[in-house]
Amino acid sequence: AQSVAQPEDQVNVAEGNPLTVKCTYSVSGNPYLFWYVQYPNRGLQFLLKYITGDNLVKGSYGFEAEFNKSQTSFHLKKPSALVSDSALYFCAVRDGEGSGTYKYIFGTGTRLKVLA
Amino acid sequence: KAGVTQTPRYLIKTRGQQVTLSCSPISGHRSVSWYQQTPGQGLQFLFEYFSETQRNKGNFPGRFSGRQFSNSRSEMNVSTLELGDSALYLCASRWSGTTSTDTQYFGPGTRLTVL
Repeated sequence: AQSVAQPEDQVNVAEGNPLTVKCTYSVSGNPYLFWYVQYPNRGLQFLLKYITGDNLVKGSYGFEAEFNKSQTSFHLKKPSALVSDSALYFCAVRDGEGSGTYKYIFGTGTRLKVLA
Repeated sequence: KAGVTQTPRYLIKTRGQQVTLSCSPISGHRSVSWYQQTPGQGLQFLFEYFSETQRNKGNFPGRFSGRQFSNSRSEMNVSTLELGDSALYLCASRWSGTTSTDTQYFGPGTRLTVL
């Protein structure tokens, strides 16, 4: 079965500094990986996804993610953090490869706090 | 294009009651999934509907049920509410579950509080 792990419950970073939110995955076939962000009292917003192709995926709000097959990682990055980036971030993998139907497995979430 | 909408946004019920939550997917999307989010358990998959049929199901008791209508709108029902059912219930839609590149989009959620 597919799974994702987000090893950090919380990440603190100073405004203007680069940020990284970590995600590792375990899949039996080709990985289909996603990042979502959740602001307080809101649903999840899609940031970016990796299906195939370039290992560096660019997404919304200046975020990007680096797919690393050898390390089975899909870390979320941003060159310069903003206070408004403070939120809960979820990594997800799509399960069901080969079955024709899919469900999404989410990590436990990482709370990002950007300090002014 | 309008996003995923969920009604109501907030709901307060007492133990033993039942509740129905509604989700309208993005226009053209045929797959609707439901998730329960709690601080302790994170995001847990409840079930997915596609073309009015339940296609996937998570590990929740039978008190949790759902359905999908011909216009792809979906409802989720929880019967005999328990205190532990207090959570944010999220609905997500996508165009077609069999397309490898489709993306799941979430609604704002319904906050259910069981007293």
